Amino acid sequence: GQNIDQPTEMTATEGAIVQINCTYQTSGFNGLFWYQQHAGEAPTFLSYNVLDGLEEKGRFSSFLSRSKGYSYLLLKELQMKDSASYLCAVRDRDTGFQKLVFGTGTRLLVSP
Amino acid sequence: DTEVTQTPKHLVMGMTNKKSLKCEQHMGHRAMYWYKQKAKKPPELMFVYSYEKLSINESVPSRFSPECPNSSLLNLHLHALQPEDSALYLCASSQGAGNQPQHFGDGTRLSIL
Repeated sequence: GQNIDQPTEMTATEGAIVQINCTYQTSGFNGLFWYQQHAGEAPTFLSYNVLDGLEEKGRFSSFLSRSKGYSYLLLKELQMKDSASYLCAVRDRDTGFQKLVFGTGTRLLVSP
Repeated sequence: DTEVTQTPKHLVMGMTNKKSLKCEQHMGHRAMYWYKQKAKKPPELMFVYSYEKLSINESVPSRFSPECPNSSLLNLHLHALQPEDSALYLCASSQGAGNQPQHFGDGTRLSIL
């Protein structure tokens, strides 16, 4: 089974940096995904980590520590359009990693 | 705009109606998925098709019936739904059902009267 935890809500100011944490407990690990979802829209793929370390993509970076069961998504130079839910997800080993299990998501509100 | 296209965008139906949701992708992906998402909750997996064969059914009630006519199309047939089935239904696809990221469509917002 899987257990994934994220903070429910976070607030930050335009231009700032925010770190969204995700902790997970899995029976087997095959990578961790981060998705962004604006209200009423589809989740959009942001990043994928399978090895320890930092992956950087423009203003967004994602970090993984497999030994700690921990990941974070770092958003720099925040913009108003970054207000969205951010979903952490891992694959379920019991289904041959076909099933993606999502955390409850973190709602980020960026204020001026 | 996403590369996974879902129709219709909105659907209102009565509990005795039969309707279908459609999903299409032309990225050559061989795995396709149906998810259900309630407000302020994460997506919940319903079905997985891998190479046009149903590989996962997450104990979904039989009033939801998936169909994969070919590698680009995925349907979800609806019959005798309940008010609690009102939700956003998301289709996704990935290159395989392994570690590749899933790409989501914009979803169909379904309301059951």
